Amino acid sequence: EAAVTQSPRNKVAVTGGKVTLSCNQTNNHNNMYWYRQDTGHGLRLIHYSYGAGSTEKGDIPDGYKASRPSQENFSLILELATPSQTSVYFCASGPGSAETLYFGSGTRLTVL
Amino acid sequence: EQQVQQSPASLVLQEAENAELQCSFSIFTNQVQWFYQRPGGRLVSLLYNPSGTKQSGRLTSTTVIKERRSSLHISSSQITDSGTYLCAMTGANTGKLTFGHGTILRVHP
Repeated sequence: EAAVTQSPRNKVAVTGGKVTLSCNQTNNHNNMYWYRQDTGHGLRLIHYSYGAGSTEKGDIPDGYKASRPSQENFSLILELATPSQTSVYFCASGPGSAETLYFGSGTRLTVL
Repeated sequence: EQQVQQSPASLVLQEAENAELQCSFSIFTNQVQWFYQRPGGRLVSLLYNPSGTKQSGRLTSTTVIKERRSSLHISSSQITDSGTYLCAMTGANTGKLTFGHGTILRVHP
């Protein structure tokens, strides 16, 4: 079973603060994704990556940056957190274009 | 706009009944996946079914590409099947993966 680990599991941040969400996968998958899940909106793609050094914008990238320093690690960065970014964030990885996605356990972020 | 519609939004069953979940797409797709999520939990891939019929245990998925739809049949439901079932599709021309909002399934004894 593919392993995707997210940290932290829960995070409380203040408005205007910087938040970094981390994701690590141990299955040598090329593709990695960051989603947020909100009631009424389902899962929405924020950023994704095809490999180390690459990041691409998803459907809702505003207010978020991503970093893929290695095959294993993919981070989501909120430079100036806002209350509207309160959500559950999921990281996922997949081996390629025809792929099954493997998800992490999620990070619950609350911005006060 | 690339969209995925799932129905029903919620479903309540008695244990051992069968369930039929539907997914329809606004554009043509070449990849369809079904996921399961417990409340507060991670998404777990159930079936990857780009076309035709695929079965895994009590789960059967049928995808009809030309009609832009997919279904998930759960036979002999169990209480532990309760949770949210999400459908996701990759647009044939966009390459973008989009999720539906899910069907919340509750199975009662």
